[in-house]
Amino acid sequence: QKEVEQNSGPLSVPEGAIASLNCTYSDRGSQSFFWYRQYSGKSPELIMSIYSNGDKEDGRFTAQLNKASQYVSLLIRDSQPSDSATYLCAVRYGGSQGNLIFGKGTKLSVKP
Amino acid sequence: DTAVSQTPKYLVTQMGNDKSIKCEQNLGHDTMYWYKQDSKKFLKIMFSYNNKELIINETVPNRFSPKSPDKAHLNLHINSLELGDSAVYFCASSQVLTGGDYGYTFGSGTRLTVV
Repeated sequence: QKEVEQNSGPLSVPEGAIASLNCTYSDRGSQSFFWYRQYSGKSPELIMSIYSNGDKEDGRFTAQLNKASQYVSLLIRDSQPSDSATYLCAVRYGGSQGNLIFGKGTKLSVKP
Repeated sequence: DTAVSQTPKYLVTQMGNDKSIKCEQNLGHDTMYWYKQDSKKFLKIMFSYNNKELIINETVPNRFSPKSPDKAHLNLHINSLELGDSAVYFCASSQVLTGGDYGYTFGSGTRLTVV
């Protein structure tokens, strides 16, 4: 069974704080991992992708991957009210033609 | 603009009707997908096509039939609509290159309401 698990939240952080979002997956053979942000009524947009163990930074976002623990995380530094959205973790199963399996999303609320 | 475009954006229809949703991408991607997002925001794969060929067909009622006339188009036809079909349907496209996997580009979604 292909599974991607996330805490559904909601996760509430004050403006300027670090938001930490976590995700675990079931298939050890997975190679590609993604974080999408979805605002209410909009389509998901890709914010980070990661393929290798360790950290990958892009602006205020850092994705972390630990394949041994089957764990992916997303850190958002200096959180802004505009970061309030649902964050979806996704894992590609089945190779390059496979599909993404999405977690159920974590709703983040950043309070001014 | 390079994009994945879906039409219509909103669809309200009565139970028992047949409806279609169209999707087109001009990104040159080889693989296209249909996902259903329920009221709890869970995105679930329905179908995927690679170069017009069906790759994935998850457990979806036979009332749902995808059609891919070419690799840039993937349409979804739904027969005998039921109340439980109400959801947002997303089309997406993807291309995995030697340099990396860039995930999906999503269309803007079609909000289907069956009354």
